[in-house]
Amino acid sequence: DAGVTQSPTHLIKTRGQQVTLRCSPKSGHDTVSWYQQALGQGPQFIFQYYEEEERQRGNFPDRFSGHQFPNYSSELNVNALLLGDSALYLCASSPTLAGGELFFGEGSRLTVL
Amino acid sequence: AQSVAQPEDQVNVAEGNPLTVKCTYSVSGNPYLFWYVQYPNRGLQFLLKYITGDNLVKGSYGFEAEFNKSQTSFHLKKPSALVSDSALYFCAVRDEIAGTALIFGKGTTLSVSS
Repeated sequence: DAGVTQSPTHLIKTRGQQVTLRCSPKSGHDTVSWYQQALGQGPQFIFQYYEEEERQRGNFPDRFSGHQFPNYSSELNVNALLLGDSALYLCASSPTLAGGELFFGEGSRLTVL
Repeated sequence: AQSVAQPEDQVNVAEGNPLTVKCTYSVSGNPYLFWYVQYPNRGLQFLLKYITGDNLVKGSYGFEAEFNKSQTSFHLKKPSALVSDSALYFCAVRDEIAGTALIFGKGTTLSVSS
């Protein structure tokens, strides 16, 4: 049973560019959340998707957007990249919107130059 | 607002000794509490959770945590530390009122020496 898978694992972008990160949830999970983990910090909640809709959002600007597909997979898009967007982006899935523990992927390491 | 505090950036223990990693929280409603572990350049692995019931929760790899409502704490413990326990540990909380997002602490690095 595959866990949460994310792609790409590493990527480098320059300021002003746009990036798309992808996530496939654990089998049987329908809720996907995205977190940003800056170096030396704990993960910060970006947003959560359920039934293809954004259900909850953290304190992130509109440059951060997402999407969930009918197969429950999800994308995180970041526009107009800033140096401060450099971080590990973690995708997590859970079996229901009600919560419980999250299952995390290995993350996508984004470096903005 | 929800918040989690992990007061220690680093905890050092000798192998075979008991370990404690501290966590305190603040929520409006009833807390759902979690501990995760992260190894270098990896994602987070779930260790244990408290939702309701017994205040002492047992989890993976011999870890346990004690929920203390009066002190709003959820400290992670292990009776006998292993060198392989060395990693970054995160406490997280979810408020049943505020939503289903997890709010994480800044993390505590556990270093177990042989």
